[in-house]
Amino acid sequence: DTEVTQTPKHLVMGMTNKKSLKCEQHMGHRAMYWYKQKAKKPPELMFVYSYEKLSINESVPSRFSPECPNSSLLNLHLHALQPEDSALYLCASSRGTAYNQPQHFGDGTRLSIL
Amino acid sequence: KNEVEQSPQNLTAQEGEFITINCSYSVGISALHWLQQHPGGGIVSLFMLSSGKKKHGRLIATINIQEKHSSLHITASHPRDSAVYICAVTSSGTSGSRLTFGEGTQLTVNP
Repeated sequence: DTEVTQTPKHLVMGMTNKKSLKCEQHMGHRAMYWYKQKAKKPPELMFVYSYEKLSINESVPSRFSPECPNSSLLNLHLHALQPEDSALYLCASSRGTAYNQPQHFGDGTRLSIL
Repeated sequence: KNEVEQSPQNLTAQEGEFITINCSYSVGISALHWLQQHPGGGIVSLFMLSSGKKKHGRLIATINIQEKHSSLHITASHPRDSAVYICAVTSSGTSGSRLTFGEGTQLTVNP
């Protein structure tokens, strides 16, 4: 069982829908991440939160809106997505953002945009 | 040219074989990670290395900083080892949160 829990596991939505992806960890980690992964490609970093503040935004379109309500939770709000946004969305956490602290990944949410 | 190159891209082995996956990188690094991704999607961190060698069960990871090269070895391979293995690095001078990933190696172990 992974220590980073993502819900839902699968999501199908239309281009006009609004939905949210959720990520939770109870390891006391203070850094949390969102990645996007297309088939047969490595993950691409989207956002990093450090101590509940957004520290990295990799020029992600505004139709993706992250939120970190507290140190255990990370949300990704989705609105007006495009078919090319269909992908596996992975959440990860680490104790901090120093180089020697490995990231722990969730199982991902597989998102399909109709 | 990618900053992190893995070889081979695909690898098929028979159960019990010794397996080696290679990773070369072209930047100065603070740490190198080996990750495992199963078909369901979840990623597991196998090793984090900055020098030398680490062993966990049947898995061994080595790194040669001078040659900018790392290897992941699997001894006595088993079908449950079938997965994508990803090498990732944290470049020197960048935030530790920013990983640069290789393209991954798809490993299939047949019974």
